Amino acid sequence: EIVLTQSPGTLSLSPGERATLSCRTSQSVDSSYLAWFQQKPGQAPRLLIYGASSRATGIPDRFSGSVSGTDFTLTISRLEPEDFAVYFCQQYGSSPYTFGQGTKMEIK
Amino acid sequence: QVQLQESGPGLVKPSETLSLTCTVSGGSITNYYWNWIRQTPGNGLEWIGYIYNNGKTDYNPSLKSRLTMSVDTSKNQFSLRLSSVTAADTAIYYCVRGDPRGYKDYWGNYFYYGMDVWGQGTTVAVSS
Repeated sequence: EIVLTQSPGTLSLSPGERATLSCRTSQSVDSSYLAWFQQKPGQAPRLLIYGASSRATGIPDRFSGSVSGTDFTLTISRLEPEDFAVYFCQQYGSSPYTFGQGTKMEIK
Repeated sequence: QVQLQESGPGLVKPSETLSLTCTVSGGSITNYYWNWIRQTPGNGLEWIGYIYNNGKTDYNPSLKSRLTMSVDTSKNQFSLRLSSVTAADTAIYYCVRGDPRGYKDYWGNYFYYGMDVWGQGTTVAVSS
């Protein structure tokens, strides 16, 4: 099973700032099958990024994804108030599909 | 647009079987894989397994011995049965659409759509 480790656990930033979230995989993951999700309290996760860097339908371009080796990054260029939530990475290329433990983005 | 709705008991007794159904509306159940994912405060998000409309399944090995998934294409529904439940199975259960398609960009890189539509989730508690 591929383990995904997200860092930091909590990120405290202000609106307008840039956010960088990390997801490291325990073994090589085909970047074609790496996703990022956003989850707000009481809601289901929402797909933001698939294939490591492609934005899902309706996702603003301030969200971007990238990869370097086994390190995947989600970047939010300028935080809006609605971006404060929990973010998960997921690999769906190797069964069992697995998720990271999440990064909570909170308002500083 | 496509919507998913979970249904089933919110309370199950230990050692009994948890049964959930997901109804797909606004779209076809064919050509996608249909997942169950659960979430707990302690263990985060856990993929349970998926089923295709042709009945092909893939289960998480951690649950495989207790798990059965089925699909009813005539009703646009798919279902989950998890037997011999314990308190550790208490969670929010989501049904999720998986799209096996993707696209290739100009440089030959592939991007697969993945799990793009989620139900709102249903809370299941295991307790006597």
